[in-house]
Amino acid sequence: GDSVTQMEGPVTLSEEAFLTINCTYTATGYPSLFWYVQYPGEGLQLLLKATKADDKGSNKGFEATYRKETTSFHLEKGSVQVSDSAVYFCALTRGGGYNKLIFGAGTRLAVHP
Amino acid sequence: DAGVIQSPRHEVTEMGQEVTLRCKPISGHDYLFWYRQTMMRGLELLIYFNNNVPIDDSGMPEDRFSAKMPNASFSTLKIQPSEPRDSAVYFCASSLDRDGQPQHFGDGTRLSIL
Repeated sequence: GDSVTQMEGPVTLSEEAFLTINCTYTATGYPSLFWYVQYPGEGLQLLLKATKADDKGSNKGFEATYRKETTSFHLEKGSVQVSDSAVYFCALTRGGGYNKLIFGAGTRLAVHP
Repeated sequence: DAGVIQSPRHEVTEMGQEVTLRCKPISGHDYLFWYRQTMMRGLELLIYFNNNVPIDDSGMPEDRFSAKMPNASFSTLKIQPSEPRDSAVYFCASSLDRDGQPQHFGDGTRLSIL
């Protein structure tokens, strides 16, 4: 079945460091891919998305590229801030009227000044 | 635009009591999802609806849980009787019925069963 695998956390970085959170997926067809972020005490917010191969999603300095050949959607940011501390979830939907989101386990990011 | 609205934000009750969680999806959205989040099990999909009809309830833990969507703008998740292991944050989300459309989440209901 469809699945999403994320790197385990927590990831601990100093402010202004480079961030990569790995995400790989298994899915039939042509899924859409998403990154969600959850700040402490809040719900999940959409961070970025990509709906077809080679698309790059970007938002708030974060980027991720839909790589069909490696079935990956790694999240990157060039310079993290303390305010980026949160849990990040990679997810996919298969589409075709099947709108159920398949989530990864989430990766906790802690950024220190 | 108003997002997904959940109520209450917090609920504390004693075991054995009935608990009702409420959700108002974004107007015009066709899908509605109920999730549960705990430290031990992470984020779990409980049930989802399409055009007010339940599509997949395989994630509902047991018969004590039930969900309804009487119209396009309102859904409830009910637990009766409640147990301490039901303590969790419950999220509602909604989305459009189009490929590539994201789900929009509410702020959740933090439920504590004593």
